[in-house]
Amino acid sequence: SQQGEEDPQALSIQEGENATMNCSYKTSINNLQWYRQNSGRGLVHLILIRSNEREKHSGRLRVTLDTSKKSSSLLITASRAADTASYFCATDAEDSSYKLIFGSGTRLLVRP
Amino acid sequence: NAGVTQTPKFQVLKTGQSMTLQCAQDMNHEYMSWYRQDPGMGLRLIHYSVGAGITDQGEVPNGYNVSRSTTEDFPLRLLSAAPSQTSVYFCASSYSAGTSTYEQYFGPGTRLTVT
Repeated sequence: SQQGEEDPQALSIQEGENATMNCSYKTSINNLQWYRQNSGRGLVHLILIRSNEREKHSGRLRVTLDTSKKSSSLLITASRAADTASYFCATDAEDSSYKLIFGSGTRLLVRP
Repeated sequence: NAGVTQTPKFQVLKTGQSMTLQCAQDMNHEYMSWYRQDPGMGLRLIHYSVGAGITDQGEVPNGYNVSRSTTEDFPLRLLSAAPSQTSVYFCASSYSAGTSTYEQYFGPGTRLTVT
């Protein structure tokens, strides 16, 4: 069963706007990761946030983690057409922290 | 560094055939894993390994075997291919410490079609 679920499933915005994607999960975790996948390619790691962290930044990316609500959000500021991709969150599985479980992803389209 | 490499890039099998998908990494990562991705979906973990000689099952292990004889290589074997195994297969590796895994480095994928 999937641990993380992204919301929305699809998002279409204009270049320059901000994009926010959310991830909810079910059980306690060691860390939560966000990945990007361009069409037909392998996944690329974006950010890892540990369970004792609340917010993390990397360039135009901002990730928050609320362990009380079992949720995380990924904010991409000043989006570009090149940000068009699918974005996935990944968390530890319920029965093993060695199992990394991915959600079904948010498909982001940034219109020029 | 080449990172994570996978071969072949594409493969077509007939139902009942067997084959091995190859995966290698040159980053000296202890943790390696195999995922499958079906259209419009996220990745599902098939098998993983926390070091040479150690493997374990993921979410969807049935129909697949793995072994880890070296740190670098983690092949995935399809025992008797079925149309339900048509998918894109990704191999990944990462550093691990204690019971946590970290940033996963993904290979480019193998697109498998079973007819």
